[in-house]
Amino acid sequence: SQQGEEDPQALSIQEGENATMNCSYKTSINNLQWYRQNSGRGLVHLILIRSNEREKHSGRLRVTLDTSKKSSSLLITASRAADTASYFCATDEPPSNTGKLIFGQGTTLQVKP
Amino acid sequence: EADIYQTPRYLVIGTGKKITLECSQTMGHDKMYWYQQDPGMELHLIHYSYGVNSTEKGDLSSESTVSRIRTEHFPLTLESARPSHTSQYLCASSKPGLASHEQFFGPGTRLTVL
Repeated sequence: SQQGEEDPQALSIQEGENATMNCSYKTSINNLQWYRQNSGRGLVHLILIRSNEREKHSGRLRVTLDTSKKSSSLLITASRAADTASYFCATDEPPSNTGKLIFGQGTTLQVKP
Repeated sequence: EADIYQTPRYLVIGTGKKITLECSQTMGHDKMYWYQQDPGMELHLIHYSYGVNSTEKGDLSSESTVSRIRTEHFPLTLESARPSHTSQYLCASSKPGLASHEQFFGPGTRLTVL
């Protein structure tokens, strides 16, 4: 069964605006990761947040994690056309640290110049 | 750019052919993975390996097979390709250890079976 579900499925914004994507999951996790995928390419790791963390920053990225609601959000501030891509959340498979990840359906972000 | 490579990048073949998708990494990672991804959809794990001579089936049933004879090499084979195998195949690797680490992805192989 799918662990991560994301919304919105698609998001279109103007350059300079902020983009927020949400991810919900079903079971307990050890950590949650966000990845970016440019069209037709492999995924690139963006950020990892552990289950005991609530917020993490990396450059223009801000990730929050609410384990009580089993949800996470990814905020991209001051978006650029180059941020146009699909964004996936991924959770590690419980009950132990197997290294296996379960990916959400992804959010397709379009940033218009 | 991650040091993980996949060949070929694109492959168009006829039904019934045997194919091998190559994946290699130069990072010395023990863990390697194969995912299948249809356009605009999520990734599904089809095979993974914890190290040499270790292979396991993933969450999505697949008719493909894998082998892990060398740490750096994790090829995927389809004995008899069918149109239902048309998809993108992504290879990934991660560092050893108990904790989940980030996965490094190759560029993918887009397979079309006619």
